[in-house]
Amino acid sequence: DTAVSQTPKYLVTQMGNDKSIKCEQNLGHDTMYWYKQDSKKFLKIMFSYNNKELIINETVPNRFSPKSPDKAHLNLHINSLELGDSAVYFCASSQEIEVQGNYGYTFGSGTRLTVV
Amino acid sequence: GQNIDQPTEMTATEGAIVQINCTYQTSGFNGLFWYQQHAGEAPTFLSYNVLDGLEEKGRFSSFLSRSKGYSYLLLKELQMKDSASYLCADYNTDKLIFGTGTRLQVFP
Repeated sequence: DTAVSQTPKYLVTQMGNDKSIKCEQNLGHDTMYWYKQDSKKFLKIMFSYNNKELIINETVPNRFSPKSPDKAHLNLHINSLELGDSAVYFCASSQEIEVQGNYGYTFGSGTRLTVV
Repeated sequence: GQNIDQPTEMTATEGAIVQINCTYQTSGFNGLFWYQQHAGEAPTFLSYNVLDGLEEKGRFSSFLSRSKGYSYLLLKELQMKDSASYLCADYNTDKLIFGTGTRLQVFP
């Protein structure tokens, strides 16, 4: 069973389109995240949700809108796609970090978005 | 600030030992993670340090010095499959902040 699964794995679309990426986790974690990894492999946090509530919203264009229908799902909708949105988007989940022994975040396999 | 610095690339030989350094300048520090990421795959957890000292897990060890804002990941008995990117990440104010990663290439 995949712990954190995201779909689609690859997404190629034209500028100006609207697209969604879905993420589901079956680990029973309370918190979910979206990260963006650019061409230089730099992983940067975009959003995080805890029990369906938005708790982190980094400086991200408002064309990006996360939605969490329940604590096991966190979807990412992107409006009016631009060339600069091309990247790999990773979903992740975690329980609360504990001292010594927690296993951090579990990442999904990523969605490679290419805007043409 | 929240700068996390690590070397961009490193090379090593199969069977050797390599140390990947990471420095961070953060306030609100709450733990230091190391992740491994193979090309085209998701990052996977390697280690977590919140107290000073060395944590050993098989061939991999991670060290933390909070006073120096410094950590390293030590990989022993390198294998070809260890060729990957190694990401240092600071757990800070409820989120993981990643460095740019060190791409390690292991040669026979």
